[in-house]
Amino acid sequence: EPEVTQTPSHQVTQMGQEVILRCVPISNHLYFYWYRQILGQKVEFLVSFYNNEISEKSEIFDDQFSVERPDGSNFTLKIRSTKLEDSAMYFCASRRQGTNTGELFFGEGSRLTVL
Amino acid sequence: AQRVTQPEKLLSVFKGAPVELKCNYSYSGSPELFWYVQYSRQRLQLLLRHISRESIKGFTADLNKGETSFHLKKPFAQEEDSAMYYCALTPSGSARQLTFGSGTQLTVLP
Repeated sequence: EPEVTQTPSHQVTQMGQEVILRCVPISNHLYFYWYRQILGQKVEFLVSFYNNEISEKSEIFDDQFSVERPDGSNFTLKIRSTKLEDSAMYFCASRRQGTNTGELFFGEGSRLTVL
Repeated sequence: AQRVTQPEKLLSVFKGAPVELKCNYSYSGSPELFWYVQYSRQRLQLLLRHISRESIKGFTADLNKGETSFHLKKPFAQEEDSAMYYCALTPSGSARQLTFGSGTQLTVLP
């Protein structure tokens, strides 16, 4: 069964460094999402992406964050200058067009630790 | 703005006992409600959605618009049901994102 894959599974970085988290959505899916979960807190929406552009973003997704789909398969989340509070588990998700709007398929997550 | 509340952070029941995980929501329009589950060391996955009115792994959930609730129930809990359960909402017919509750960690004791 196809799955969303994410790399790296864990990244440790110094505050102020740039980080890129990578996701390979399920191949026939057209909607892509990033969520994050700070330890002990709820899963929070960051951004949704469709047709090569951001369709919606939350207030968390400020100018330090960006997303792109550089090659038609990968979907990346970039944090330009990481802060301590960016430490979290980041989940990528994808959805087929035409299915129930909420049925997202999630990756296993990338744990980001900012020191 | 939509909001999902799961009042219980932790819930423990004995194997064979009934279990109910509570979920309340606030949203001014017509929502779609879901339960997602995360087993230990596994990814978040869809358990069930209210529009399907289905039973998955013995779990059911009924949308009560009057009480704005979508509680998850199972009459006889099993040890393998131990997991983190998230209630989630999205506006009906929308491609917008899911809003998650804070989750309930269910532990089924032997």
